[in-house]
Amino acid sequence: GAGVSQSPSNKVTEKGKDVELRCDPISGHTALYWYRQSLGQGLEFLIYFQGNSAPDKSGLPSDRFSAERTGGSVSTLTIQRTQQEDSAVYLCASSYGVGEGEETQYFGPGTRLLVL
Amino acid sequence: GNSVTQMEGPVTLSEEAFLTINCTYTATGYPSLFWYVQYPGEGLQLLLKATKADDKGSNKGFEATYRKETTSFHLEKGSVQVSDSAVYFCALFKAAGNKLTFGGGTRVLVKP
Repeated sequence: GAGVSQSPSNKVTEKGKDVELRCDPISGHTALYWYRQSLGQGLEFLIYFQGNSAPDKSGLPSDRFSAERTGGSVSTLTIQRTQQEDSAVYLCASSYGVGEGEETQYFGPGTRLLVL
Repeated sequence: GNSVTQMEGPVTLSEEAFLTINCTYTATGYPSLFWYVQYPGEGLQLLLKATKADDKGSNKGFEATYRKETTSFHLEKGSVQVSDSAVYFCALFKAAGNKLTFGGGTRVLVKP
């Protein structure tokens, strides 16, 4: 079946602008994750959604970052008032669940964000 | 908190050489352990996993054994190819943490 898809694949924006990044998880996967991959920080967890539960936002670096997941499927990560340090590859992953045997996360190709 | 430490690269090898990438972790209880691979210009792909002590994950000629006593999950391949050139990430997952915790990644370059 189809894997995790993300759009856009690349985004160039000017400092101070808002951006929206989209993730479409694997059908049937209840858990969705956002990570950020940058040169200086490696792979960092941002936010996690599981079913209808409140999301775990503990990894969001500032209040400029927010995410939502509509209908338990597609998710949007929004960065307001972008800064140059937000430049990174934003990765989305999904898994069937979080229990043993369900926890394997499958990643999308990522959105490469460049803030000028 | 949870953490993963893996050897820094780059690791440069000749084709058909033996590859080992060390990975150790710190976590309470019994996390699930993973190796992901990122080929140039591509996203993260699951390479292999193990969910309990002494399990061996294997895929594409790569192997890793979950060693609880040494809290390690070293990746090995007996004969590498140029196409194995990539960045390899070791990671752990605990359901209570709601996330994968990654090591810093090891870049491997295989020369013909």
